[in-house]
Amino acid sequence: AQSVAQPEDQVNVAEGNPLTVKCTYSVSGNPYLFWYVQYPNRGLQFLLKYITGDNLVKGSYGFEAEFNKSQTSFHLKKPSALVSDSALYFCAVRDEGYQKVTFGTGTKLQVIP
Amino acid sequence: NAGVTQTPKFQVLKTGQSMTLQCAQDMNHEYMSWYRQDPGMGLRLIHYSVGAGITDQGEVPNGYNVSRSTTEDFPLRLLSAAPSQTSVYFCASSRGVSETQYFGPGTRLLVL
Repeated sequence: AQSVAQPEDQVNVAEGNPLTVKCTYSVSGNPYLFWYVQYPNRGLQFLLKYITGDNLVKGSYGFEAEFNKSQTSFHLKKPSALVSDSALYFCAVRDEGYQKVTFGTGTKLQVIP
Repeated sequence: NAGVTQTPKFQVLKTGQSMTLQCAQDMNHEYMSWYRQDPGMGLRLIHYSVGAGITDQGEVPNGYNVSRSTTEDFPLRLLSAAPSQTSVYFCASSRGVSETQYFGPGTRLLVL
């Protein structure tokens, strides 16, 4: 079975400060990991993904994520937060043995001016 | 190139009514899926399809049917609507299950 956990319902960060949105996963095989973002009253947009290779993945809008196999984590990071980054962020995982993707419950990021 | 389109945008149903949520994509993607989004529950997979003629159940399939007669279309049918099906429904498509998913704008469904 595959699962993903986002332990924080909401993260507040001041504009200009670094931000981290946490994600941990559980799979029995090799993981495929994704981050998506949802702006208010919009559909989801892809940010980045890890399939194999470099553990540090760079994505859209200056976001990056670090794959840590020993800690089964895939935390989303950005060096300097913008007010426009305020949105709902979803982590997702696919176990290589499965044909479906499982999403987390989402983390609301609030960037305070 | 319209991407993923969903109709209707908003629908109100009475308990027991049936309806079909439409989803279409023009990117020739093989993989399509339906999710529902509820507060505090994130996105939960209802059904998915790895290609025309092939569908399978996700995490919360009860009360929903799907079919995939063409690559482009993946309709979701509510057989007998219940208040518990009040939700926002998203359709998504991708070249494969490990590829980037492109989401439609969503259908907001209210079941009274």
